[in-house]
This record gives sequence, structure tokens and C-alpha cells, in this order.
Amino acid sequence: AQSVTQPDIHITVSEGASLELRCNYSYGATPYLFWYVQSPGQGLQLLLKYFSGDTLVQGIKGFEAEFKRSQSSFNLRKPSVHWSDAAEYFCAVGLYGAQKLVFGQGTRLTINP
Amino acid sequence: GAVVSQHPSRVICKSGTSVKIECRSLDFQATTMFWYRQFPKQSLMLMATSNEGSKATYEQGVEKDKFLINHASLTLSTLTVTSAHPEDSSFYICSAQGGSTDTQYFGPGTRLTVL
Repeated sequence: AQSVTQPDIHITVSEGASLELRCNYSYGATPYLFWYVQSPGQGLQLLLKYFSGDTLVQGIKGFEAEFKRSQSSFNLRKPSVHWSDAAEYFCAVGLYGAQKLVFGQGTRLTINP
Repeated sequence: GAVVSQHPSRVICKSGTSVKIECRSLDFQATTMFWYRQFPKQSLMLMATSNEGSKATYEQGVEKDKFLINHASLTLSTLTVTSAHPEDSSFYICSAQGGSTDTQYFGPGTRLTVL
């Protein structure tokens, strides 16, 4: 069955430090991959997506993610986090294109000043 | 662009009553809309998929008679929780997808509390 695993439930980093959020997926075909961010009181916002092509994807707010087929991973990175990046981050795999999204458990990011 | 709204943002109702939640795509036509449920500190679980003018497709384990979904226009879908019970209390989130994109855009969610 298709699944998405985000191994880290909660991560704390200092403001200005680099960030990497892990995401592993299980899916038989070439996946559509997404990273969303959920802030309190706000809807999920799309950070970036990968469908095909260049495996390093640039997104909004300075985020990037790299698709590694051999590792079934799609990790999210940011070189220098800001206090406003504190939120819940969800990785998702799209089935049948993006007709059905399977989400990971989410990673809560806390930023230390 | 690609803004999705939900109304109400939070609702409290008594057990046994029905509650309707609206989901609107404000600046694009949504050929497909999705309804998710999110439990505290957990991920989103897809409840159903609806295409404009068609009956919704429900995920396994979701009671279609309890969670009525209507997608009567390209900008509006509604979820009605019928005869609500405390176990239906949750955060309900909709998303919308236009015909030419492979991306779902999410609404801000509706917090339902059933007393």
C-alpha cells in the first residue's frame, strides 16, 4: 500500500540554522510529491512539488527539496530558518497524479530565538 | 491566486443536529474538490472526492449517509455532517483542484465540536 513516512515528529532548530525535514514514501510508480506547511489558523500552503525532471526543486519561502528515487526520499531543506517558519510540515505523495494525496504524519518545527 | 475559503471556521453544535460546511474556490474553477478530516496532532485523512455535478466518491470506512457531500457548481462544495455525535468532533479541511493543474489548494479548515 502507498504510504508516506516522516520520521521526525518534532524538530527544534535555532533561528538562522539550516533545516532538513525527512520524508520517505512507498509507491510503485513514479510519484507526484508535495510539501505543504500548516500554520495555526491557516490552511495548508503548498511549498513545492515534484512531478518529473530536475530532482532538485525550488519552492516558496526559500525552501527546496530533493527527490532521490534510489532512497524513496523527498527531503525538504532550508539553509537558514526564520522564526516565522515555525509550523507543521506535511509531505504527501499524489496518486493518479494528484487526484489522491496520501499524507505523512507531519513534522512540527519549533524555532529557538 | 488559487484561494480556497471555508465557512464557518468553527462551529459548535448539539448531538443529533446536522451541520453544513461550505468550501469555495474564490479565483478558479474547481472541477474536483476533496474533503479531509484531521485529528489532533495527526495527519489528514481523505474522506471523499467530488467532481462537479457527480456523486462523491467516499474512501473506505467513511459513512456516506453521515457525511453528505454536494458539489453543485465549479466553485462550491458542501459537507453536511448529519446527526452529529461527539465522535464527529474534528477539524475538517477541503481542497480544490482546477482542471488544468495537478495541485490541490487547501481551505483553512473548520473546527467542529459536537456537545
